[in-house]
Amino acid sequence: NAGVTQTPKFRILKIGQSMTLQCTQDMNHNYMYWYRQDPGMGLKLIYYSVGAGITDKGEVPNGYNVSRSTTEDFPLRLELAAPSQTSVYFCASSPGPRSSGNTIYFGEGSWLTVV
Amino acid sequence: DQQVKQNSPSLSVQEGRISILNCDYTNSMFDYFLWYKKYPAEGPTFLISISSIKDKNEDGRFTVFLNKSAKHLSLHIVPSQPGDSAVYFCAARAGNNRKLIWGLGTSLAVNP
Repeated sequence: NAGVTQTPKFRILKIGQSMTLQCTQDMNHNYMYWYRQDPGMGLKLIYYSVGAGITDKGEVPNGYNVSRSTTEDFPLRLELAAPSQTSVYFCASSPGPRSSGNTIYFGEGSWLTVV
Repeated sequence: DQQVKQNSPSLSVQEGRISILNCDYTNSMFDYFLWYKKYPAEGPTFLISISSIKDKNEDGRFTVFLNKSAKHLSLHIVPSQPGDSAVYFCAARAGNNRKLIWGLGTSLAVNP
């Protein structure tokens, strides 16, 4: 029962490097999200997608890019890593708009450090 | 501007007693509220939710109360267990907006 799977779990990047955080879900959810959580802070939405081929910016999109070529996958790209992007990243998914409550299911998180 | 506020960063209770976690919001358009629980090194997991048409929702040991006039909701855990020790996040959304607005979380410690 995989749910939302994100990789890698931990990564150290040098300033200016690029990387992609992978996320896949096996629940056939239309909606997918990327959040970041800084120490002592709540979750901030980076990007979200309401279906394959459709993405939109969240609260803190700068420095990131996403794509949604399939229902299952929603990778998050960091093009030029900066120390401000040191954070814990959570991928999440939820069913379509008609489902009650829009319960969001989260992956286990990816700890990213930029040095 | 924090639209969802959890003013207590931490709470400590004795096993078997009631835990009450509070959440206040400022946006009167919010019509659905959720509580998530997060253990260290794990993603948040959904706990319980409530629609603005209700004032109470119960699921086992967990009950959420909503006071719309006060723009306040609370999560009650009775009886509290050591396994309930985690960070609890309150979140809210408005209408068909898919974006949830999150509080900063309250860290609950249940002591044996």
